[in-house]
This record gives sequence, C-alpha cells and structure tokens, in this order.
Amino acid sequence: IAGITQAPTSQILAAGRRMTLRCTQDMRHNAMYWYRQDLGLGLRLIHYSNTAGTTGKGEVPDGYSVSRANTDDFPLTLASAVPSQTSVYFCASRDRGRGEQFFGPGTRLTVL
Amino acid sequence: GENVEQHPSTLSVQEGDSAVIKCTYSDSASNYFPWYKQELGKRPQLIIDIRSNVGEKKDQRIAVTLNKTAKHFSLHITETQPEDSAVYFCAARKMDSSYKLIFGSGTRLLVRP
Repeated sequence: IAGITQAPTSQILAAGRRMTLRCTQDMRHNAMYWYRQDLGLGLRLIHYSNTAGTTGKGEVPDGYSVSRANTDDFPLTLASAVPSQTSVYFCASRDRGRGEQFFGPGTRLTVL
Repeated sequence: GENVEQHPSTLSVQEGDSAVIKCTYSDSASNYFPWYKQELGKRPQLIIDIRSNVGEKKDQRIAVTLNKTAKHFSLHITETQPEDSAVYFCAARKMDSSYKLIFGSGTRLLVRP
C-alpha cells in the first residue's frame, strides 16, 4: 500500500442497509478524517480521530459512526443508510509535521 | 464555529490570463489556510498553503495572500493553462486540538484555450 486507500470504489445500497466504508493509510499519520462531498457544498467533516483509540464528531456526524482500533485503519459505518447519505466519501490523514491532509481516492455511495 | 465562504462559485478565463479566488473566514484564531485542487473524478490535492505568520506565499504560477485583519485569503493563478481547469477549495484550520479543516464550497475554474 502506498499512501491512503479506500474501499469500495463505489457502492449502490438499499435504504435501511448497514454499510462500512474502509480507509487504510501506511504513512503512520496519527490523525485521520472522514468527509462527504456533495455538489455545491464542498467537503464537510463527518468524524475525525487524532490518534488510535480516540474519535470526535465533525460538522455532520448524524447517522455515521467510526472506530480507530489502530493507526492505519479508520472505518466509517452507516448503521441504517438513508437516501440523503448518497454522496462521495473521502478519507484523509494528516501529516503532523506539515499539517497537510492527504486524501484517499474516494467512495461513491448511492442509497436508493 | 468556523465558517469559510468562497467566491466566485464559477470562474471562466482565457488561457494566459490570471485567475483569482477569494475566501473569508470567521474564526480569528484560525492559523492555517490550505488550497486544494480537485480534478474531475479525482481526490482533492494540496497545491499551496499559508500560515498566519506569513502574508504571502508563491510557488511558480500560484500564489496565496492572507489578510488577517480582514480575515480573508486569496489564491492567484497567473498565466493560466487548460490543465488548471478544476475545482479549487480553500480551507481554514480551527485553532483547537482537533486540527479540523473547514472548507469553502469550491470554485469551478475553466480555462478556455
């Protein structure tokens, strides 16, 4: 793995189903973030984690949960998907020294 | 909380002309201001950033200026090229332990050949 990866690339999901979006980084960054991107609204922070074992809420956390069992992985779970969660989801990790956030390739999620 | 406004939402320029995108932020304690470029279907990528102790920063054809008093910062692209066409996002980092970035809503730049 080089950098930050996400899976799946895209997914179509029935409303009410549970879904976990995966994010893995190999840069040993302590901080990781989940954003959703909707047309005209830019990137909005869902949840974040400053270090393994800790998580925090962002701007739009409702309907989502995260866990951070180790440094590399930061999965995002939709417990019961709704159509308004149709979006492109980006995971990011932060370089502590420079402060730059590196983004994963994104997951396009459609909830029907 | 922090709020970032970005203008314009779309910008069309002729190749070779300059492009300017402006952002304002609300939290005077914000101290880090990155700009990201996102090509169609791709991930956002950092193109330049500036910290609050600096008023201007340049990197080849790209420059960013920061006015802390007015709480606004701008991206300047000179000698634009078709490959500069993309969506550009500004962001401001909150001055707390989360290091959360608050993003503007984006500017779609089109460079006409």
